[in-house]
Amino acid sequence: EVQLLESGGGSVQPGGSLRVSCAASGFTFSRYAMSWVRQAPGKGLEWVSAISGSDGSTYYADSAKGRFTISRDNSKNTLYLQMNSLRAEDTAVYYCAQGRRYCTNGVCYQNYYYAMDVWGQGTTVTVFS
Amino acid sequence: QSALAQPVSVSGSPGQSITISCTGTSSDVGAYNYVSWYQQHPGKAPKLMIYDVSNRPSGVSNRFSGSKSGNTASLTISGLQAEDEADYYCSSYTGSNSLVFGGGTKLTVL
Repeated sequence: EVQLLESGGGSVQPGGSLRVSCAASGFTFSRYAMSWVRQAPGKGLEWVSAISGSDGSTYYADSAKGRFTISRDNSKNTLYLQMNSLRAEDTAVYYCAQGRRYCTNGVCYQNYYYAMDVWGQGTTVTVFS
Repeated sequence: QSALAQPVSVSGSPGQSITISCTGTSSDVGAYNYVSWYQQHPGKAPKLMIYDVSNRPSGVSNRFSGSKSGNTASLTISGLQAEDEADYYCSSYTGSNSLVFGGGTKLTVL
């Protein structure tokens, strides 16, 4: 069974840093693109960042560029999001999600912009002064 | 990148059909067939319901269907059931190395 388990959330002051993690199991982690999506209290979903499974290419929403860094350790089946210079508006539940992977005629494709097949339960980040 | 436009709320009675729209631009929804729909119950993680405009993942009821016309994608739920009451979000690739979600639609089953 595919499972994603986020951890590392907590409370931090504005300007502070936090790293959240996502432990993956039940699938070959390195073959899948992964994303972080957040949801502020009472608000909608917001895509934050993604990383390719093949070459580790990274992608960021404008709100995350220059402050957040996505990374992965395929040997540990773990996805990370390092968040620096945190602001009150970064307060949210942070979800990790597995990107869909397609295989046809023996060739498989994964891209961060494919649908998000499986989601973790989320970890809460609160930024307050 | 602005959020895709969805109605704030829709409602329907059990057994009826409802449609939720998701309007973008010619740079996102209109340009790519990478439109997805997610269902989210209160306090729960989102769940993929439709991918690539109109495809259902394994295990998702065939009461859920998706389509697209121009810059607007749509999610239709037929034979409404009480358990369908949830928030629904669309998302699309934007072509500029980013993804965008809709603002979300609250579905109420009367």
